[in-house]
Amino acid sequence: EVQLVESGGGLVQPGGSLKLSCATSGFTFSGSAMHWVRQASGKGLEWVGRIRTKPDSYATDYAASVKGRFTISRDDSKNTAFLEMNSLKIEDTAVYYCSRLISAHGGYNWFDPWGQGTLVTVSS
Amino acid sequence: DIQMTQSPSSLSASVGDRVTITCRASQSISTYLNWYQQKPGKVPKLLVYSASSLQSGVPSRFSGSGSGTDFTLTINSLQPEDFATYYCQQSYSIPCSFGQGTKLEIK
Repeated sequence: EVQLVESGGGLVQPGGSLKLSCATSGFTFSGSAMHWVRQASGKGLEWVGRIRTKPDSYATDYAASVKGRFTISRDDSKNTAFLEMNSLKIEDTAVYYCSRLISAHGGYNWFDPWGQGTLVTVSS
Repeated sequence: DIQMTQSPSSLSASVGDRVTITCRASQSISTYLNWYQQKPGKVPKLLVYSASSLQSGVPSRFSGSGSGTDFTLTINSLQPEDFATYYCQQSYSIPCSFGQGTKLEIK
């Protein structure tokens, strides 16, 4: 069974830092791009960023709203992805989900499954 | 960046109804379009990928269609467990983007 378990969320002051983890099992982690998506309370889904695989040089991409503040990394030996968040703002308050990207022929891809999410609250 | 717009934002319907949710992309995305269902307090769940392919285990009353900029998710014969929020997502280019969601409520 494919599983993704996020951890590391919590309460942090504005300007602070937090590092989230996404521990995975049940699939070949090293062969999958991993994405982070967040959801503020009562709001919709917002893509945060992604990290590709080793053959793609572990390339990363970020949403404009977090670029320069957030860093995604991975440890293939531990089947774990990370989201390091710096200079946190109140508007970063959200549940953060990690998800595996399924890639198919023709460049089609989708998120499946999603982790249970971890809540990040930025408040003074 | 590609913007995704869903309509309606909310929808009231009864058990047994047929409902259609629309998703429009700001530029052509071929069929690089996915649909997710999210129930309150739960994790998003993949329903349809590549515009019209039903994810394994998803009931056949769900169907997706469209290409280019206009897409639809149709639910035939609504069941009580279908009342949830639905999101479309384009996978044509980075940054990925989601529609704002359509909340399907019981009438």
